[in-house]
This record gives sequence, C-alpha cells and structure tokens, in this order.
Amino acid sequence: GENVEQHPSTLSVQEGDSAVIKCTYSDSASNYFPWYKQELGKRPQLIIDIRSNVGEKKDQRIAVTLNKTAKHFSLHITETQPEDSAVYFCAGQGSSASKIIFGSGTRLSIRP
Amino acid sequence: EAGVTQFPSHSVIEKGQTVTLRCDPISGHDNLYWYRRVMGKEIKFLLHFVKESKQDESGMPNNRFLAERTGGTYSTLKVQPAELEDSGVYFCASSQGQNLQQYFGPGTRLTVT
Repeated sequence: GENVEQHPSTLSVQEGDSAVIKCTYSDSASNYFPWYKQELGKRPQLIIDIRSNVGEKKDQRIAVTLNKTAKHFSLHITETQPEDSAVYFCAGQGSSASKIIFGSGTRLSIRP
Repeated sequence: EAGVTQFPSHSVIEKGQTVTLRCDPISGHDNLYWYRRVMGKEIKFLLHFVKESKQDESGMPNNRFLAERTGGTYSTLKVQPAELEDSGVYFCASSQGQNLQQYFGPGTRLTVT
C-alpha cells in the first residue's frame, strides 16, 4: 500500500550547521510532496512543497530535492537557527484534493 | 481569513464513554479531511469529505468512529464507545477545490483513561 518512510526520527545539530531529512515513498502515483513543520502544541504548517515534474526547489534557507526514479526526496535546512527546532513531516499526495500520506516525523533540535 | 478551527482543544474521557470532536474548515473550502496522530507516530489519514459527501473513508479504523458533515460546512467526528487506543491528537484540514495545499487545524488532544 501507500507508504512514506522518513529518517532520522531525531536529529540534533549545532546552530548554524545544516540539517538534512530524508524520505522515500512507495506509491508511483504520488506527484506532490509537501513538508510540514509542527512546533510544540501548534498545528502542522506547510513550509515547502515540490511537484514530481521538478527536481529541486529552494526558499531562503530551506530546499527540497526529489529523485522521482529512486522515489527519494529530502529536506535541507541551512544555517539552522533555534526557531527551526520542531517536528518535521514529509508527505506524499496523489491526485489533487486527495489524502496526504505522512512520514513518521523527525524531531529536529538546534543546539546553541 | 480565519484558519481551520477545532473544538475542544483537549478532551479527557473514560473508556466506554462517547466524545464528539468538531472541525470548522476555512470558509469556502469544499474539501475537509480528518487525520490523527497516535503515540508520537505518523499522522494518519482517516477520511475525506467533499462538501457533505464522504469521498474517501478508507482510513477510518472501525465502526466506533462516525464522521458527519451535514450541510457541507463544519464536521463532527464521534467516537463511541471510546477505547484506550483511541488516544491521540485528531487533526482536521481543509482545501479548496482541486488545490493541493491542505490547511491544518490546531488539533484536539483526546485522552482515554
């Protein structure tokens, strides 16, 4: 069935360093890959997304890459800051307005 | 624009009791989704409404869960009778038409004791 695997489950990096979170998906029909950030006690917020016809997308310190052949996609955060500490979820989605399949989440901690 | 709202924010009930969660989507959003996160695991899909119709309810765990969206506006999710394994955070999300982006509510934390 549809599945999204996410690694690592926890990640601790020094402030200013980069953080990378990796995901794989199983459903070939997935063509949209959003990333959500959830701070403690708050709602999941979309931070960046990528469609299957694009290999890379960047927004300031955040970038996402997609390898459709290998069914891999990754989130890269550069120059990490304390406010980047949160749980990050990768996800896959098939057709428009369909359900989102989430990864298990990565708890990112930024060490001062 | 008001975001997705959910009520209550927290609910603590005993096993065997009934609880009803409510979600108000962003005004004008036809698509309404329910998800839940159990025990720090992944956020799992429960079901999807398009207006008042159930488009996909493949994620509903069993018949103790009943979702409704009468009138195509707000939605309720009733758990009856609640079991210990139902504890978790229940999220609602909405989206407009064929737009891919889903906007999430703050969630309802359900604790069954």
